[in-house]
Order: sequence, then C-alpha cells, then structure tokens
Amino acid sequence: GAGVSQSPSNKVTEKGKDVELRCDPISGHTALYWYRQSLGQGLEFLIYFQGNSAPDKSGLPSDRFSAERTGGSVSTLTIQRTQQEDSAVYLCASSLGPESGAQGRGSLDNEQFFGPGTRLTVL
Amino acid sequence: QKEVEQNSGPLSVPEGAIASLNCTYSDRGSQSFFWYRQYSGKSPELIMSIYSNGDKEDGRFTAQLNKASQYVSLLIRDSQPSDSATYLCAVWNDYKLSFGAGTTVTVRA
Repeated sequence: GAGVSQSPSNKVTEKGKDVELRCDPISGHTALYWYRQSLGQGLEFLIYFQGNSAPDKSGLPSDRFSAERTGGSVSTLTIQRTQQEDSAVYLCASSLGPESGAQGRGSLDNEQFFGPGTRLTVL
Repeated sequence: QKEVEQNSGPLSVPEGAIASLNCTYSDRGSQSFFWYRQYSGKSPELIMSIYSNGDKEDGRFTAQLNKASQYVSLLIRDSQPSDSATYLCAVWNDYKLSFGAGTTVTVRA
C-alpha cells in the first residue's frame, strides 16, 4: 500500500534500555509528525519535520527523546533510558506540507494521515 | 482551558439514527479542522476536513463549522454498527494538530 508505515508494530523493552522507532511517510509528503497516545489519554504532539529539519520540537517530553529525518523521507524516533511512563502507542503522520503561515489558511496540504503506530511497553 | 474540547460521551444511538458529535476550540485564528475515526486498537483515520463556515457533506457524514462560535460538529446519518468507534476532533495550530479527547460512539443494532 501507499500509506504511512511504521516499525516495529510492537516493542517490549526493559526500563533503562534505548529504543528506536521508525516511520516511512507517504511518498511525496514533505511534512512528518510524531504523536503519542497513552492508554486513556488523548493524542499528544511530539515533533514535526518539514523536509529534514525540525522547526518544532516543543512536544518532546524530555531530553531522552530525539528524532531525526534523513533524505526527506524516513524518520527515526529514539527514546534513551526508557521509563515505564514512556509506555504508549507512538504514531507517525505525514502530509503534503503545511500551508504557509502558523494558522494554516485551510488546505488539503494540511491533511495528516497516520501510520498504524508502534505500541511500546516498558517493563 | 483545553485547546479542543469534545462532548465526552459515550454516545449510544440505534442503528439508522443520526449521531451528533460536537467540538469547540479555543484559538479563534484556527482555519483547518478535521474529524478522525479511531477503532479500538487502531490508528486514527481521517474522515472529514473542513475549512469554511457552513456544512460539508461526504456520504453519510456532514461536518459543520461556525468560526464565530468556535464550534465544529460531525453528523453521522443512518448510523451503522460499523460506525461504532471513537471520533476525534482535531484543529490545526502552528503546524501541528491539537486533538480533543474523543467521543466514543456505539451504534446499537
């Protein structure tokens, strides 16, 4: 299919270990987003990429979290020294590219499509 | 005040009825609004986007936007058991989506 793909689909790790989560966006989408959804919680924004740069890292919950994107395509979210509170579903989304301007004038370019997510469990 | 608020639900409707979902947002400058459907254990699926005041219809779904009242709604006509899911309202703010907590809809056969 041509949708957003994420791997692994499930990851179980021990507290203190590092994990890497991967996202492959829809071909041609320049914008890529990471969100987190904890059990019983809403979707929480983590980071946004336009091309390879990350203009907005404001949602990363701590310095243990980092992300990169290379070649304007695949992105990796890395969590170092995982903690139990990191357990959640990590969702990646992509869009054609945000409409210029902070408020987004209203454009199909702003439509974000989500991947299936990675369920992370920290024991 | 939360950026995006939805009626908490759960909402139970009989098959064939209209399900009405409401959402309010705090940033008066927001211009792009979306409804996502999320089945249990699955990721959100975009079902509607709306940018202008008024109604937008797509099949059995109608989105309504009133920017003056900072209000977005979603109507599901002729509800089917397959519509049973959590519906998330999302508002575009500074390149990211802010989501409501979601309204869980159950359609009774």
